[in-house]
Amino acid sequence: GNSVTQMEGPVTLSEEAFLTINCTYTATGYPSLFWYVQYPGEGLQLLLKATKADDKGSNKGFEATYRKETTSFHLEKGSVQVSDSAVYFCALSDWEGGSEKLVFGKGTKLTVNP
Amino acid sequence: DADVTQTPRNRITKTGKRIMLECSQTKGHDRMYWYRQDPGLGLRLIYYSFDVKDINKGEISDGYSVSRQAQAKFSLSLESAIPNQTALYFCATSDLPLDSPLKLFFGQGTRLTVV
Repeated sequence: GNSVTQMEGPVTLSEEAFLTINCTYTATGYPSLFWYVQYPGEGLQLLLKATKADDKGSNKGFEATYRKETTSFHLEKGSVQVSDSAVYFCALSDWEGGSEKLVFGKGTKLTVNP
Repeated sequence: DADVTQTPRNRITKTGKRIMLECSQTKGHDRMYWYRQDPGLGLRLIYYSFDVKDINKGEISDGYSVSRQAQAKFSLSLESAIPNQTALYFCATSDLPLDSPLKLFFGQGTRLTVV
């Protein structure tokens, strides 16, 4: 089945620093790719998505580009804020068994200090 | 009010006890899922259901069972809890994806501790 590998955390940055969280995937076919975010004490919520090669997903200043040639979907933000402190999950769609499900990476915890 | 509600939010139980985690949703979605989250392991799918008469095992269904009582309700049971089932459990829902890719809506989670 399809799988996702994302960089180990935790990541600690100062406010206004540049953020990159790496994500690579293994898949047959052309899955959709996602980043979900989990703020402290909450469930996951969709941050952004991309459905085909070279698509760029963006939301709240975060961006990620679907790179088929490197099988990657790295998350970036130019200037992080304290409120971005959360756990970030890369995910892809998996059609194993004839039905679509999401497969998640292990998550990367980001802490942004003032 | 939350669209996806899980009860209880926290629970401590003893080894060997039966416990049920409940999930209800007001989004009108047909599809519901149960995941567990463990540090360093991310989210793993336990069971999922695409409608009231459809139940499917995920990657880690052993030791768990589910019941889809209605479109809006999906319960997860641990028949005989064991300590390695200590985890954070999430319920999620999704609509039938048509032109858009699958999008999940998560509850706030149930933190279960088995002692």
